[in-house]
Amino acid sequence: DAGVIQSPRHEVTEMGQEVTLRCKPISGHNSLFWYRQTMMRGLELLIYFNNNVPIDDSGMPEDRFSAKMPNASFSTLKIQPSEPRDSAVYFCASSPRDSGQETQYFGPGTRLLVL
Amino acid sequence: SQQGEEDPQALSIQEGENATMNCSYKTSINNLQWYRQNSGRGLVHLILIRSNEREKHSGRLRVTLDTSKKSSSLLITASRAADTASYFCATGNGGATNKLIFGTGTLLAVQP
Repeated sequence: DAGVIQSPRHEVTEMGQEVTLRCKPISGHNSLFWYRQTMMRGLELLIYFNNNVPIDDSGMPEDRFSAKMPNASFSTLKIQPSEPRDSAVYFCASSPRDSGQETQYFGPGTRLLVL
Repeated sequence: SQQGEEDPQALSIQEGENATMNCSYKTSINNLQWYRQNSGRGLVHLILIRSNEREKHSGRLRVTLDTSKKSSSLLITASRAADTASYFCATGNGGATNKLIFGTGTLLAVQP
């Protein structure tokens, strides 16, 4: 099992540019989560999907952030336009919730730096 | 908002000693989980304890849960240098997707 796959692993961009982060959950997992981690705010849940449907996006900072899950094996988190305060590590996690398990499996993260 | 607050924020011990980390939370929960994060890596699940359980063991890990005090502790026995990492508690509300809210983390350094 390859685990949760995220790309890119590192992203450096300039303020105002669009950033797209990608995630491939573990096959068979039906829940997917996007988190953001910073020194100041710790680990924050941004949005989560269940069976490809967004269930709770209350953690999304503002309209500049959007997330999609077009199918069970792919999700994107987009920031447009990006700002320096968006610099953080973004994690994707998946969970086999349908099987009754609550454990979340995290990807390696995307380290984003907005200049 | 943060559900869990961990204590201490940082802990330094010698190899072979035991390490204890505490987590307090604010609202009722369905389960509480502990995760480990090595520097620059994603989080790795360690152990889950349900709200109707009081203690759970997994290898060198022992977790306790006191729902009346809204607190949990993680004990790592006979620590090793490889245990050096940040440790997070996360509270789950159960339900269809078991949304987790993570604590602030404890940074553990085990000196060889």
